[in-house]
Amino acid sequence: EVHLVESGGGLVQPGGSLRLSCAASGFSLSSYNMNWVRQAPGKGLECVSYISIASDNIFYADSVRGRFTVTRDNTRGSLYLHMNGLRADDTAVYYCVRDDMWAFDLWGQGTLVTVSS
Amino acid sequence: QSALTQPASVSGSPGQSITISCIGTRSDVGGYNHVSWYQQHPGKVPKVMIYEVSNRPSGVSNRFSGSKSGNTASLTISGLQAEDEADYYCISYTDSGTFWVVGGGTKLTVL
Repeated sequence: EVHLVESGGGLVQPGGSLRLSCAASGFSLSSYNMNWVRQAPGKGLECVSYISIASDNIFYADSVRGRFTVTRDNTRGSLYLHMNGLRADDTAVYYCVRDDMWAFDLWGQGTLVTVSS
Repeated sequence: QSALTQPASVSGSPGQSITISCIGTRSDVGGYNHVSWYQQHPGKVPKVMIYEVSNRPSGVSNRFSGSKSGNTASLTISGLQAEDEADYYCISYTDSGTFWVVGGGTKLTVL
């Protein structure tokens, strides 16, 4: 069975940093473009970042560009989101999402990031 | 403010049909067929219902259909059922620098 499992969320102070990880199982990460999507409590979805299979195309939402960095290690089947300069409005559940044929076809269960003093 | 515009809420009675619109621009919905729709029940992970404007993934009911005209994509649900009550989001590819743009979401209430 195919799965995505996120980890690394937690409580962090404003201005702090976190690294989220996403482990893929049951399929080869190296065959798919990947995304991070977040959802603030009670709010809608926001596509945070996109990374192509070979990491040669990377895009970010305007709200995180310059503060967040997405990377991947296909040999380890892992996706990462390095988050710096965290702000209160970054508080959200962060989902690791697989992109297949321009559809977000597989989602992890999400990891909660809370930015608060 | 979301880049794609969706109605905040729609409602319908069981058995009826409803349509949710998703209005974009020529840089996203109007210029490409990479529009998908997602259903999210409270506390659950989003699920893809439609991709590439009108394609339905295996296992999704044929009561769900998608279309596009100009800069507006639409999701239609026919034969409404209580289980369809959820939030729905549209997502489109964009050439404006962020790769994806998302609608603000529509809450569907089945009366």
